[in-house]
Amino acid sequence: DAGVIQSPRHEVTEMGQEVTLRCKPISGHDYLFWYRQTMMRGLELLIYFNNNVPIDDSGMPEDRFSAKMPNASFSTLKIQPSEPRDSAVYFCASSLLGFGQYFGPGTRLTVT
Amino acid sequence: QKEVEQNSGPLSVPEGAIASLNCTYSDRGSQSFFWYRQYSGKSPELIMSIYSNGDKEDGRFTAQLNKASQYVSLLIRDSQPSDSATYLCAAVEVRNAGGTSYGKLTFGQGTILTVHP
Repeated sequence: DAGVIQSPRHEVTEMGQEVTLRCKPISGHDYLFWYRQTMMRGLELLIYFNNNVPIDDSGMPEDRFSAKMPNASFSTLKIQPSEPRDSAVYFCASSLLGFGQYFGPGTRLTVT
Repeated sequence: QKEVEQNSGPLSVPEGAIASLNCTYSDRGSQSFFWYRQYSGKSPELIMSIYSNGDKEDGRFTAQLNKASQYVSLLIRDSQPSDSATYLCAAVEVRNAGGTSYGKLTFGQGTILTVHP
């Protein structure tokens, strides 16, 4: 199994631009999670899906953040407009039955 | 108060020693607990899960759970320099939304472990 796949691995953008992060979960997993990790705040859960349906988006910091899961094999996290404080590593993870999450390699986002 | 708390360290142990990592959690309803290892610049990697009170052993790793004290620990025996990483404790808290119960995984801040030769 290829594991969780994320793209791009690195993204550098200017403030105000739209950023789209992509994730392909492990085949057969029914949960998908988006996390953000910074030195100051650690690992934060942004949103998660069960069977493509958003269950809890209470961690999404602002309306500038949105996430979709149009099918079982693909999810996006969009930031529009981006701000320097959004700079972080964004992880996607998937699991079966909601436990034992397996993380992707992450996307390192830098907003200048 | 953070829902899952860990000592950020750094914890430094000599090679061959036992490293002891500790974690407390606030939600008494938490039923499942996980330890992740994260090397610098890499993603978290699941190394242990524990659901019942007591000890669970897997190779050099032993997870311990005490629900009465709301305490989880990870012991690493015969520590190696390759064990140097940040160790994240996570607890599943049961939440309710729209009449449905689901589990939310909450992570601690992580403990930095350094094993020196």
